[in-house]
Amino acid sequence: GQQVMQIPQYQHVQEGEDFTTYCNSSTTLSNIQWYKQRPGGHPVFLIQLVKSGEVKKQKRLTFQFGEAKKNSSLHITATQTTDVGTYFCAGKGEKLTFGTGTRLTIIP
Amino acid sequence: AAGVIQSPRHLIKEKRETATLKCYPIPRHDTVYWYQQGPGQDPQFLISFYEKMQSDKGSIPDRFSAQQFSDYHSELNMSSLELGDSALYFCASSRGLGQEKLFFGSGTQLSVL
Repeated sequence: GQQVMQIPQYQHVQEGEDFTTYCNSSTTLSNIQWYKQRPGGHPVFLIQLVKSGEVKKQKRLTFQFGEAKKNSSLHITATQTTDVGTYFCAGKGEKLTFGTGTRLTIIP
Repeated sequence: AAGVIQSPRHLIKEKRETATLKCYPIPRHDTVYWYQQGPGQDPQFLISFYEKMQSDKGSIPDRFSAQQFSDYHSELNMSSLELGDSALYFCASSRGLGQEKLFFGSGTQLSVL
């Protein structure tokens, strides 16, 4: 079945450093979504990418969808303490499958 | 703005008991999804409903059942509870089936003792 993996599983960065999480699907996706889950909270939708090679930006966050529509990345520039949480990609193939998540912690 | 409402927020049960979790989607959302999330784990898809019909089935145990009612709210019924069922159960809703983004509720924390 469809599998969606994310790396790294954990990332600890100094405040102000950049952060990137990578998402890889075993199958071609029709779209990919990104969610953020704060500690103790619920997943919150960030963005959806649909087109091959698509790049979208939200302030310090840059999202990219691979040309083959099987991988994606989220890059955060100059992290802040408010960026703490787990970032999940969710790939839409036959069904929407969540990735394994990357837990980001910030060292002030 | 109205969000997805889940009840109860916390639930403590004994092994072999039953539990019912409720989910009220955002108004005009016709699709409901149930996810199970263990500590430090990613959300695992259980089941979804579109227009009151089951639309997809994931890793939902046979001991669990769910339905969506005429007012679009959904209930997840869990029987013969096991220790391993302890988890955070999220409901999410969307408008339409397939490509839509999901709006998650705050979840029900189920503890089976």
